[in-house]
Amino acid sequence: KNEVEQSPQNLTAQEGEFITINCSYSVGISALHWLQQHPGGGIVSLFMLSSGKKKHGRLIATINIQEKHSSLHITASHPRDSAVYICAVRSRYGGSQGNLIFGKGTKLSVKP
Amino acid sequence: DTGVSQDPRHKITKRGQNVTFRCDPISEHNRLYWYRQTLGQGPEFLTYFQNEAQLEKSRLLSDRFSAERPKGSFSTLEIQRTEQGDSAMYLCASRRITGGANTGELFFGEGSRLTVL
Repeated sequence: KNEVEQSPQNLTAQEGEFITINCSYSVGISALHWLQQHPGGGIVSLFMLSSGKKKHGRLIATINIQEKHSSLHITASHPRDSAVYICAVRSRYGGSQGNLIFGKGTKLSVKP
Repeated sequence: DTGVSQDPRHKITKRGQNVTFRCDPISEHNRLYWYRQTLGQGPEFLTYFQNEAQLEKSRLLSDRFSAERPKGSFSTLEIQRTEQGDSAMYLCASRRITGGANTGELFFGEGSRLTVL
């Protein structure tokens, strides 16, 4: 079992729909990242959070430390939101300062 | 400063050849990371630097792989005697750490895609 699990793996939505991508993890963490990767490979960091909720434009990220779960929400989705969304956690324990543990990503396709 | 830049963006090579990738991080960032990503998978950690010191290497980093950051600025990742299994996207990321705090947004480059024939 991976230490970071994302669901769904693939998601197709119609433009305007509200989208939720989930991330569950099994390790104690000091931070969780949501990343966006477009075709061609470039990765953009959307959020880094360790508690509560953050909002940026149409994107909202929440985290529940006790439940070891985070969600990324996209409101009023648009075709330009089509990308792979990756959840990554930084382990609190284990001594590794450099190691982000990545989920496999959720491939989102928003149809016009 | 335009962010993290990687060069080359694409590299096609024959098995057994050596390849080198370069990463230029954001100028004030003291931490630099290398990751590898294969199709359909999330990135996997390879190694990271704090300034010029290489602080951690993954078990994924075989002895054919070597990374340097000689002046604490740009970094190179060299793969010797490439194998077809080395075909992947090699991603570089950087961030600024102050006082040992686990803060600092992580910025990624566009990646260097390696194809080994």
